[in-house]
Amino acid sequence: QVQLVESGGGVVQPGRSLRLSCAASGFTFSNYAMHWVRQAPGKGLEWVAVMSYTGSNKYYADSVKGRFTISRDNSKKTLYLQMNSLRGEDTAMYYCARDLGQQLGFFDYWGQGTLVTVSS
Amino acid sequence: QSALTQPASVSGSPGQSITISCTGTSSDVGNYNLVSWYQQHPGKAPKFMIYEVSERPSGVSNRFSGSKSGNTASLTISGLQAEDEADYYCCSYAGSSTWVFGGGTRLTVL
Repeated sequence: QVQLVESGGGVVQPGRSLRLSCAASGFTFSNYAMHWVRQAPGKGLEWVAVMSYTGSNKYYADSVKGRFTISRDNSKKTLYLQMNSLRGEDTAMYYCARDLGQQLGFFDYWGQGTLVTVSS
Repeated sequence: QSALTQPASVSGSPGQSITISCTGTSSDVGNYNLVSWYQQHPGKAPKFMIYEVSERPSGVSNRFSGSKSGNTASLTISGLQAEDEADYYCCSYAGSSTWVFGGGTRLTVL
């Protein structure tokens, strides 16, 4: 069965960096675009970034552009999110999600999330 | 990339039908049939419910249906059941390989 398991969250000071990972199993990872979606405590969902199945294309929400970098290692079946210059407003649960198609933005499977808290 | 507009809350009694609206603009909902809906129970990850405006993934009850008119998409849940009580989010393609979610709607089953 499809499984996505995020890791790497934690408490980090403003301005510091953190790298999240999402380990995939149960499907051919290299055939699917992958996304990061976040949810601030008590708030709604916010799309963060997408990477194409080959890794050649990546796109970001304006709120993270220039600070976050999405990447993937298809040989390790793992998606990453490098987060730099973290701010308080980046505090959220971060989910990785599989795209049903080739970047159609239909998130058919989600991980359980990893919590990032930016605080001094 | 402004969030799509959803009502903060809706409610209904068991067996009734409810509809949740999701209003965007001609740059997102109105311009693409790439609208999807997600159900989220407290403390859980979102669940994929509807895609491409009205398509249902396998395993999702046919009590859930989607539609779109102009800049507004809608999710209808018929025959409300207690387990439908959750938060619901719409999502639309917004161009340039970006996506936007709605603010979410809390469904209460009375």
